Amino acid sequence: QKEVEQNSGPLSVPEGAIASLNCTYSDRGSQSFFWYRQYSGKSPELIMFIYSNGDKEDGRFTAQLNKASQYVSLLIRDSQPSDSATYLCAVNGPNTGNQFYFGTGTSLTVIP
Amino acid sequence: SQTIHQWPATLVQPVGSPLSLECTVEGTSNPNLYWYRQAAGRGLQLLFYSVGIGQISSEVPQNLSASRPQDRQFILSSKKLLLSDSGFYLCAWSKWKKGYNSPLHFGNGTRLTVT
Repeated sequence: QKEVEQNSGPLSVPEGAIASLNCTYSDRGSQSFFWYRQYSGKSPELIMFIYSNGDKEDGRFTAQLNKASQYVSLLIRDSQPSDSATYLCAVNGPNTGNQFYFGTGTSLTVIP
Repeated sequence: SQTIHQWPATLVQPVGSPLSLECTVEGTSNPNLYWYRQAAGRGLQLLFYSVGIGQISSEVPQNLSASRPQDRQFILSSKKLLLSDSGFYLCAWSKWKKGYNSPLHFGNGTRLTVT
């Protein structure tokens, strides 16, 4: 069983729509959750991180965490073509020590 | 503010040649440092991480090695490159604070092609 699982996609949404990206993790002791965006040929850049159950909003982005279901999601409102990228979910916690476990990423395409 | 420098940006090396990639972090002390590799169209593979000078943890046994000669310097090396070493190499840092790891921050990466 993989530590972190994401639907590889590709996920296509029209411009202006809400894109919903999902991630599940296997270690119930995980405590830190991160979303990264990676454009083709570039390094990953941090979008959001969340530590507590519930929602965390930052501009057009909302991260949602449900520790009971071991599920974390990223919502992108008013999707723009510039949001087209691969989105990586990462998890860290006391059981993983200093390691960050990454999912394989979901490819998002926003259609103008 | 903290910055991470990684070089070179691209590298083409013949099979059997040595490798040295360097990464430095500015603006923080005693960071956790990481080397990841990403093969074309694949996910991130953790190669090495370090919590302090001279302390290296290896995740994937292979012909690569890492060293941390100074607090904010992390070096990835190989004595003889293989074709399978081709990929996108990423250095990253984080900090352990109050029971949590801060987010990983990545350098711009080195694209290595072994021919």
